Amino acid sequence: DSGVTQTPKHLITATGQRVTLRCSPRSGDLSVYWYQQSLDQGLQFLIQYYNGEERAKGNILERFSAQQFPDLHSELNLSSLELGDSALYFCASSVDRGRGYGYTFGSGTRLTVV
Amino acid sequence: AQTVTQSQPEMSVQEAETVTLSCTYDTSENNYYLFWYKQPPSRQMILVIRQEAYKQQNATENRFSVNFQKAAKSFSLKISDSQLGDTAMYFCAFMNPSGNTPLVFGKGTRLSVIA
Repeated sequence: DSGVTQTPKHLITATGQRVTLRCSPRSGDLSVYWYQQSLDQGLQFLIQYYNGEERAKGNILERFSAQQFPDLHSELNLSSLELGDSALYFCASSVDRGRGYGYTFGSGTRLTVV
Repeated sequence: AQTVTQSQPEMSVQEAETVTLSCTYDTSENNYYLFWYKQPPSRQMILVIRQEAYKQQNATENRFSVNFQKAAKSFSLKISDSQLGDTAMYFCAFMNPSGNTPLVFGKGTRLSVIA
């Protein structure tokens, strides 16, 4: 157990629907990162939060949004889902914006859009 | 923007042998951090080893070591005495020192350890 909790582990939904992925960071970590990993691909950065504030944005689609709450958990909202959104979505956390220590990853949410 | 390149999509190695995975990166920064992550079939991303660019000494973690060549912008991972449990995807990653930009990953190398 890495200490980063992601729910749900698996999600199957239809095109056009909206889903919410949840992440609880490791205790004491203030930064949360979201990554998307499509089949046989590397990890693509979506968005970063630090202590409730957005810090960096990657190639995140306008249909996607995220937030970090006062208790530091984060949610990634995916709407108007398309088949191409099927992927493994990772949340990661770090204590000091990751300076030098890398990130601790959750086990991911496998999203399948049918 | 920084880029990370892993030129070996797939590799295989016999159990107990040594294998080296390649990684090159592009940056204009002088100080930064480099990482190798392992993703076994369980999908969990596991930090294997890290290197600070201002440290000339190559990092070592048990059977895992790196060959960091700063001038060449090369960061290879050597796995000694390969074990079946080392079978996984291996990702090289780059981080700039400010921490305000996220980890940038390569596309990964799929390593198979053969009995």
